[in-house]
Amino acid sequence: QKEVEQNSGPLSVPEGAIASLNCTYSDRGSQSFFWYRQYSGKSPELIMFIYSNGDKEDGRFTAQLNKASQYVSLLIRDSQPSDSATYLCAVNSKNYGQNFVFGPGTRLSVLP
Amino acid sequence: DTAVSQTPKYLVTQMGNDKSIKCEQNLGHDTMYWYKQDSKKFLKIMFSYNNKELIINETVPNRFSPKSPDKAHLNLHINSLELGDSAVYFCASSYGTSFDEQYFGPGTRLTVT
Repeated sequence: QKEVEQNSGPLSVPEGAIASLNCTYSDRGSQSFFWYRQYSGKSPELIMFIYSNGDKEDGRFTAQLNKASQYVSLLIRDSQPSDSATYLCAVNSKNYGQNFVFGPGTRLSVLP
Repeated sequence: DTAVSQTPKYLVTQMGNDKSIKCEQNLGHDTMYWYKQDSKKFLKIMFSYNNKELIINETVPNRFSPKSPDKAHLNLHINSLELGDSAVYFCASSYGTSFDEQYFGPGTRLTVT
């Protein structure tokens, strides 16, 4: 069973729209959740992290966490072509001891 | 004034060889990590050191051996390289062990022929 799952995409949205990226995880004991952005050929960059149920906003980005449903999402408002990248969900899972597991990533394409 | 640096950026070598990748961070962080990103872009943690002490050691062949001479450096030595070792290896660092605010290095693309 995969620990962290994401739709691989590509997810295509028009410029100015809201992009919605989803992630589910299997370990109910997971405590912290992260979204990274990775441009092609570059290293991952942290966008934001969330610990508590609910929403956390940072500029155009909103992370949403629902621990009961084991679901975390990232909303990107007013999407720009420069947001086109792969978005990686990562979970700090307590399964088998402290561990940090990335999902496979969702490729986002923002069309001008 | 690069935050996390890795050398070399590219490494091409033959099967059976031994090679090392070096990582240095100037952020004052106390935890450093090695990740492997394979050809399918799947990113997986390999090792983590906190204050020079190994705290995460994932299921990785024992041909891979990390070494942390001090808090600012974490090297990765790979013995008897195999074709399947071809990947991009990322170093990262953070404060503490909660994985918050990790900064990644630029990566080392290893190609084993």
